Amino acid sequence: EIVLTQSPGTLSLSLGERATLSCRASQSVNSNYLAWYQQKPGQAPRLLIYGASSRATGIPDRFSGSGSGIDFTLTITRLEPEDFAVYYCQQYGNSPFTFGPGTKVDIK
Amino acid sequence: QVQLVESGGGVVRPGGSLRLSCAASAFTFSTYGMHWVRQAPGKGLEWVAFIRYDEGYEYYADSVKGRFAISRDSSKNTVYLQMNSLRVEDTAVYYCAKGAWFDTWGQGTPVTVSS
Repeated sequence: EIVLTQSPGTLSLSLGERATLSCRASQSVNSNYLAWYQQKPGQAPRLLIYGASSRATGIPDRFSGSGSGIDFTLTITRLEPEDFAVYYCQQYGNSPFTFGPGTKVDIK
Repeated sequence: QVQLVESGGGVVRPGGSLRLSCAASAFTFSTYGMHWVRQAPGKGLEWVAFIRYDEGYEYYADSVKGRFAISRDSSKNTVYLQMNSLRVEDTAVYYCAKGAWFDTWGQGTPVTVSS
């Protein structure tokens, strides 16, 4: 089983600041099958990034993904009010399709 | 627009059973694999099960293997999760999600296992 570790656990930032979220895998992620999701309280998760760096339909270009192998990053270039949420990474290359524990981005 | 709607959640005693349904619309259901994911209260996401588009294979998390069964009916555009021998730790909101990279999620259906 591939274990995903996300850091930091909580990121406190101000509107307009840049957010950098990290996801590290316990072993190489098959074909960079790594996704990022955003979840707000009381809502279902929403796909942001798949294939490590491809933005999902309708996702603003302030969201970008990068990385390969075991180290991946989600960057939000300028935080908007609607971006304060919990972000999960997930690998879907090998079953079980594990999620990281999440990074909460909150308002400083 | 593409939509997934879960149903079938509720309150059940430990050892009991429930069957969840996820009705899909506005996409060619028969060409996509489907997943179930759950989220315990205040916790993160846990992948539960996957069924391939052609029912060719299924995968399960170790925590549910032997107790849960995923199935699908392409004539009804619906995926199911049969949950047997339920435990208190199965209490969660259960989501269905579409495709290899979970591009669409339903709104979730809550399951509470309690005596």
